[in-house]
Amino acid sequence: AQSVTQLGSHVSVSEGALVLLRCNYSSSVPPYLFWYVQYPNQGLQLLLKYTTGATLVKGINGFEAEFKKSETSFHLTKPSAHMSDAAEYFCAVSDPYNNNDMRFGAGTRLTVKP
Amino acid sequence: DAGVIQSPRHEVTEMGQEVTLRCKPISGHNSLFWYRQTMMRGLELLIYFNNNVPIDDSGMPEDRFSAKMPNASFSTLKIQPSEPRDSAVYFCASTSQGYSNQPQHFGDGTRLSIL
Repeated sequence: AQSVTQLGSHVSVSEGALVLLRCNYSSSVPPYLFWYVQYPNQGLQLLLKYTTGATLVKGINGFEAEFKKSETSFHLTKPSAHMSDAAEYFCAVSDPYNNNDMRFGAGTRLTVKP
Repeated sequence: DAGVIQSPRHEVTEMGQEVTLRCKPISGHNSLFWYRQTMMRGLELLIYFNNNVPIDDSGMPEDRFSAKMPNASFSTLKIQPSEPRDSAVYFCASTSQGYSNQPQHFGDGTRLSIL
């Protein structure tokens, strides 16, 4: 079975600072990995995904994530935080042979201080 | 493009009443998921359908919960009778089953409050 662990339920950064949200996965097969963002009173929106190929994946709003198999990690980064980045972020892992089996992490709430 | 559409957006009702939540998936998607989100338990998968057939309902908390998908463009999640502990945000999501590199697309949710 697959699983995802997000380290840190809350992360606070200053505007302009680096954003780093951590995600580690467990999977018996090469995983497909996703980051979603949830703004208040909205559903989850896809930020980026890794399936195959280049391990550094770029997403919307300046976010990127790097798949590191040796570390079983898929951390999300953004060089410079903006106030509008304040939201909850979810990492998810999917079985490449069955995309109905998608497991979500517990989420990390990002706060951006002015 | 129309995304996943859920209705109502908000529902407030009294304990014991029947509640019906509705979802219209993205056209062409053949997998549909119902999730529940609470502060305490996070995002929980309740049930999912492939080609209108329920595949895994192990996440449905108890018999008071039921879900149907009568056709490819409509699904309902029903709670009868409702209880205060059912208060949560309920999300519907859809995707193309068999294309495992495709993400799930979420609706904006129904915020349910049971008094």
